[in-house]
Amino acid sequence: AQSVTQLGSHVSVSEGALVLLRCNYSSSVPPYLFWYVQYPNQGLQLLLKYTSAATLVKGINGFEAEFKKSETSFHLTKPSAHMSDAAEYFCAVRFPNTGFQKLVFGTGTRLLVSP
Amino acid sequence: EAQVTQNPRYLITVTGKKLTVTCSQNMNHEYMSWYRQDPGLGLRQIYYSMNVEVTDKGDVPEGYKVSRKEKRNFPLILESPSPNQTSLYFCASSLGFPGNTIYFGEGSWLTVV
Repeated sequence: AQSVTQLGSHVSVSEGALVLLRCNYSSSVPPYLFWYVQYPNQGLQLLLKYTSAATLVKGINGFEAEFKKSETSFHLTKPSAHMSDAAEYFCAVRFPNTGFQKLVFGTGTRLLVSP
Repeated sequence: EAQVTQNPRYLITVTGKKLTVTCSQNMNHEYMSWYRQDPGLGLRQIYYSMNVEVTDKGDVPEGYKVSRKEKRNFPLILESPSPNQTSLYFCASSLGFPGNTIYFGEGSWLTVV
């Protein structure tokens, strides 16, 4: 069955440190991949997406993610964390075996940024 | 302004009292979907629709109904709500191509007592 795994329900970093949020999916055929951010009491905002073009995808707010087919991963990174990055981050995948019709989310990773 | 609008945003209701959460989008999107968000579980898809009169079950459809009579609207119906349907609900829409961005509404907090 298709699944999306986000390792670590909470990640803590210091301001200025590297941010790394992990996402792995289960599919032998490359799917479409998305990262969303949710700030407290708000809806979801798209950070970036992979749609079979460049494997290194740049998004908003300085975030980027690299699609690695061999590792079935789509990890999210940011070189230097800012206090305003504190939020919950969701990896989401549209799998080919559902005709790409269903969007499956990971369980989310809450990013905590300390001064 | 392009947006997905959900109503109500907050609702407390009693067990068994039918309710409808409306969702409307102004982007002429073919694809619409409903999700519920619960702590530790992320977002789970309830139902989705690829176009007018075309709907299908997501991962957690039990206790919910949907209809897609018009392209812009995709209401979520709880015929007989129960406390385990207390959750944060999101409506979303996108153009038909699966690589397109999916836009989310601001969410509807539903409490069933």
